[in-house]
Amino acid sequence: GNSVTQMEGPVTLSEEAFLTINCTYTATGYPSLFWYVQYPGEGLQLLLKATKADDKGSNKGFEATYRKETTSFHLEKGSVQVSDSAVYFCALRGGSNYKLTFGKGTLLTVNP
Amino acid sequence: DAGVIQSPRHEVTEMGQEVTLRCKPISGHDYLFWYRQTMMRGLELLIYFNNNVPIDDSGMPEDRFSAKMPNASFSTLKIQPSEPRDSAVYFCASSLGGQGTNTQYFGPGTRLTVL
Repeated sequence: GNSVTQMEGPVTLSEEAFLTINCTYTATGYPSLFWYVQYPGEGLQLLLKATKADDKGSNKGFEATYRKETTSFHLEKGSVQVSDSAVYFCALRGGSNYKLTFGKGTLLTVNP
Repeated sequence: DAGVIQSPRHEVTEMGQEVTLRCKPISGHDYLFWYRQTMMRGLELLIYFNNNVPIDDSGMPEDRFSAKMPNASFSTLKIQPSEPRDSAVYFCASSLGGQGTNTQYFGPGTRLTVL
């Protein structure tokens, strides 16, 4: 079955630091890959997505590249802000299967 | 667009009581999903509907849980009787179309506490 593994948190960074949150997956076929973000007290919001190998998703300074050879979709940002503090979820959705499979989530705290 | 609307936002009830959670998907979306989020298990898909018809309810934990979608703009998730281990945040999400690339839009969630 499908599964997503992302790095354990929490992650604490200073403002303007570089961020990487690792995500690897197991899936049959060619899944679509997503990063969702959950701000305190809110629902999940789509941050970015990639639908095929070597695609790069990007939004709000965040990027992730779909690496089929390493089955990875690591999230990066060059300079984090306090407002980026949230929980980040890596997820996959396989082909015609409409089910999203989520990782456990990584709590990011950015200090001024 | 108002986005996915869920009510109530918070629910506190006692063990044994019936709980009903409500969801209004984004207008025009033909897929609706119910998820549960707990610290121990993370985000789990409970059930999803396509054009108001339940397609996969394999994630529903037990017979105490039931979900309905009487029309395209409304769905309920009911727990009867509720138990303390049902305490969680329940999210509703909707999407348009049947491709794996389509984005699911989440509501703000209902935080359920069963005492």
